[in-house]
Amino acid sequence: GAVVSQHPSRVICKSGTSVKIECRSLDFQATTMFWYRQFPKQSLMLMATSNEGSKATYEQGVEKDKFLINHASLTLSTLTVTSAHPEDSSFYICSAVREGAGNTIYFGEGSWLTVV
Amino acid sequence: GNSVTQMEGPVTLSEEAFLTINCTYTATGYPSLFWYVQYPGEGLQLLLKATKADDKGSNKGFEATYRKETTSFHLEKGSVQVSDSAVYFCALYTGGFKTIFGAGTRLFVKA
Repeated sequence: GAVVSQHPSRVICKSGTSVKIECRSLDFQATTMFWYRQFPKQSLMLMATSNEGSKATYEQGVEKDKFLINHASLTLSTLTVTSAHPEDSSFYICSAVREGAGNTIYFGEGSWLTVV
Repeated sequence: GNSVTQMEGPVTLSEEAFLTINCTYTATGYPSLFWYVQYPGEGLQLLLKATKADDKGSNKGFEATYRKETTSFHLEKGSVQVSDSAVYFCALYTGGFKTIFGAGTRLFVKA
């Protein structure tokens, strides 16, 4: 079964509203999680690195005030898309690092966001 | 910097045909290499991986060998099925856990 879970899997929101996506590691603690965005028929682009207990590190070109990331516990990171617009419609996916021998990365199922 | 280049799709094959999806990489150090699969409407699933040169990753009939001399990690399957239709991503990561993805290759398998 899944070891990293995202919620919601699909969400539709009105333009101008905010929406929160959760990423949970289910049976391990993750000090580091990553958020990616995928436009239709394109690859996944890293948005930010989420670090437990500290500020997220954003990739160049990603608006930190628009995409708020909070990693308040060792099993949960949240991505909030603020004042969403139709161009924010995309597939958002997180990953979590299970540290230890091999340092395995697990991906969530992804969240489809549609802004209308 | 680190990068991954994979063949453009879409790739269309008939059932039981042989599949090759090319992937080459540029990286400093010694990256781990991965193939992920994304079925329609779903998230990413790890298909196989290799962590050092000459390692062969395999799963569900798919194979890929980590070739350091050619900086390649080509995905192969001897006989594809309709259920293999998906998007395949080649990826690498070095230290820091950041995963660098290729552009993805869409595979269509016809019955």
